[in-house]
Amino acid sequence: GQNIDQPTEMTATEGAIVQINCTYQTSGFNGLFWYQQHAGEAPTFLSYNVLDGLEEKGRFSSFLSRSKGYSYLLLKELQMKDSASYLCASVSGGYNKLIFGAGTRLAVHP
Amino acid sequence: GAGVSQSPSNKVTEKGKDVELRCDPISGHTALYWYRQSLGQGLEFLIYFQGNSAPDKSGLPSDRFSAERTGGSVSTLTIQRTQQEDSAVYLCASSLMPSPDEQFFGPGTRLTVL
Repeated sequence: GQNIDQPTEMTATEGAIVQINCTYQTSGFNGLFWYQQHAGEAPTFLSYNVLDGLEEKGRFSSFLSRSKGYSYLLLKELQMKDSASYLCASVSGGYNKLIFGAGTRLAVHP
Repeated sequence: GAGVSQSPSNKVTEKGKDVELRCDPISGHTALYWYRQSLGQGLEFLIYFQGNSAPDKSGLPSDRFSAERTGGSVSTLTIQRTQQEDSAVYLCASSLMPSPDEQFFGPGTRLTVL
């Protein structure tokens, strides 16, 4: 079956670094997305990884290990505005549909 | 430029009634997706349209749910004989290229079935 696991909630301090993990078990895997969703708003794209390794984009980096079925999103120099839910989604099957995890709610404190 | 738009933003209906939700994707985007999100949950895939290809309907939860995409642009999601468990936010997204590609989401339609 298809399964995406990520922690439900995390807290961190402004200026710190936080790592949000995601493990997946999906058939026909073709990459992994991370989206950010502020409360009451639509999700916005953060990253897409299809090859193993780390991709850095400003304060945000995303890592993928296909052999381990594992990804993480790394947020550096945390700001209050980073308080949001972070959604991990694997690309699966012949149509490349996205299977989303339940999301990790991150609270950044001063 | 204009993003993805959805209407209505909110819909309250009585159990057993039919509802239609509309999505206007970004102009030129070939792919269109429907998801639903229950409170505090992740997104549940419903259906994916790509160009003139047959849509991926594998996420539709029952035969009460159907969707169309006319002229490769606007899409309508129809829920017949609504049930209370259909209450959720229905999100539409579009992407320029076929999946996997960055999806741009609309603001959603919050559906409440009484």
